[in-house]
Amino acid sequence: EPEVTQTPSHQVTQMGQEVILRCVPISNHLYFYWYRQILGQKVEFLVSFYNNEISEKSEIFDDQFSVERPDGSNFTLKIRSTKLEDSAMYFCASCWRQGAVQPQHFGDGTRLSIL
Amino acid sequence: LAKTTQPISMDSYEGQEVNITCSHNNIATNDYITWYQQFPSQGPRFIIQGYKTKVTNEVASLFIPADRKSSTLSLPRVSLSDTAVYYCLVGESWGSSNTGKLIFGQGTTLQVKP
Repeated sequence: EPEVTQTPSHQVTQMGQEVILRCVPISNHLYFYWYRQILGQKVEFLVSFYNNEISEKSEIFDDQFSVERPDGSNFTLKIRSTKLEDSAMYFCASCWRQGAVQPQHFGDGTRLSIL
Repeated sequence: LAKTTQPISMDSYEGQEVNITCSHNNIATNDYITWYQQFPSQGPRFIIQGYKTKVTNEVASLFIPADRKSSTLSLPRVSLSDTAVYYCLVGESWGSSNTGKLIFGQGTTLQVKP
């Protein structure tokens, strides 16, 4: 079964540094998402992306965050200047059609640790 | 998006049937009910989805009463590997105004004991 893959599995970064998290969604999917999960807390929506533009973003997704689909296969999340509170698991998800009827497929996440 | 309420945790033993009930009193006509499972250090994984009555797949069954204000995820004969967090989500079906974002609650942590 096709999978969403994320790299790296664990990223350790100094506070203030830029970090790029990478995702390869399932190939025929058209809708892409980033979520994060702080340790011990619930999964939180960050941003949705379709047709090469952001369709919705949460309050968490401030100016320090950006997303890109640079080459038609990768989907990246960039944090420009990381803060301690950005430490979390970041999950990428994709589906071929939006809406609750179409389940989203999640990757196994990148654990981001900010020192 | 309709708010959901489910137990924070449940314990069970191997071989037992587990039923996790989710309350969604404000469910809208267009809303579907979806359950995800999350193992430690993994992303959520879709289990089952339904609109009304009963849905069954190779993993679970989903029971939805006529008023749709609640739903019950049923896991038959659980094993240790079913220890996970189970999330109930309620959202709209396909529509141009829906970006498809998922809103997760705290979920139900199921602990299966030997």
